[in-house]
Amino acid sequence: ETGVTQSPTHLIKTRGQQVTLRCSSQSGHNTVSWYQQALGQGPQFIFQYYREEENGRGNFPPRFSGLQFPNYSSELNVNALELDDSALYLCASSLGQGKFGYTFGSGTRLTVV
Amino acid sequence: QQQVKQSPQSLIVQKGGISIINCAYENTAFDYFPWYQQFPGKGPALLIAIRPDVSEKKEGRFTISFNKSAKQFSLHIMDSQPGDSATYFCAASLNNAGNMLTFGGGTRLMVKP
Repeated sequence: ETGVTQSPTHLIKTRGQQVTLRCSSQSGHNTVSWYQQALGQGPQFIFQYYREEENGRGNFPPRFSGLQFPNYSSELNVNALELDDSALYLCASSLGQGKFGYTFGSGTRLTVV
Repeated sequence: QQQVKQSPQSLIVQKGGISIINCAYENTAFDYFPWYQQFPGKGPALLIAIRPDVSEKKEGRFTISFNKSAKQFSLHIMDSQPGDSATYFCAASLNNAGNMLTFGGGTRLMVKP
């Protein structure tokens, strides 16, 4: 059984640029959530996708967007990067919208300079 | 406002001692309370979780105590080991589904040999 894999592991971008982060969910999981974890803080919920539809969103601006594909993998896109977007971005997958708990990936460390 | 407050921010315990981490929440609609363990460079991993219909849950050396009237819950790690050194996050969510987790700020635990 494979876990949640995220790519890339590290990324450096310039302010104003756009970035796409990728996540492959654990086998059999149909729900994917994305979280932002600033240094020294707890993860903050960005949004969740279930069966390719966004079905929950946290307090993040529209320049944070996402996709879920038929194989349940997912992308997180961030436009017009700001310095405060520097963080660890975590993807978590689950079965049935989290009813049975979430499995987190190791994250993508994004640095905006 | 949905918030989960966690204390202490850091904790040092001797090997064999008891580690205690506390969390308080505001939203009485929360109905799922997990604890996550995170090692450096890794994503959070589910440790143990409780629902508000019970006051205590134990799994091995880990115990959650839940006080619904006080809106507080805590994690006790018995016989703490150096391998337990990690950052611990409490979290809470709605709808008995474990999704859209609201995390506490984290506690960095160090267990000294």
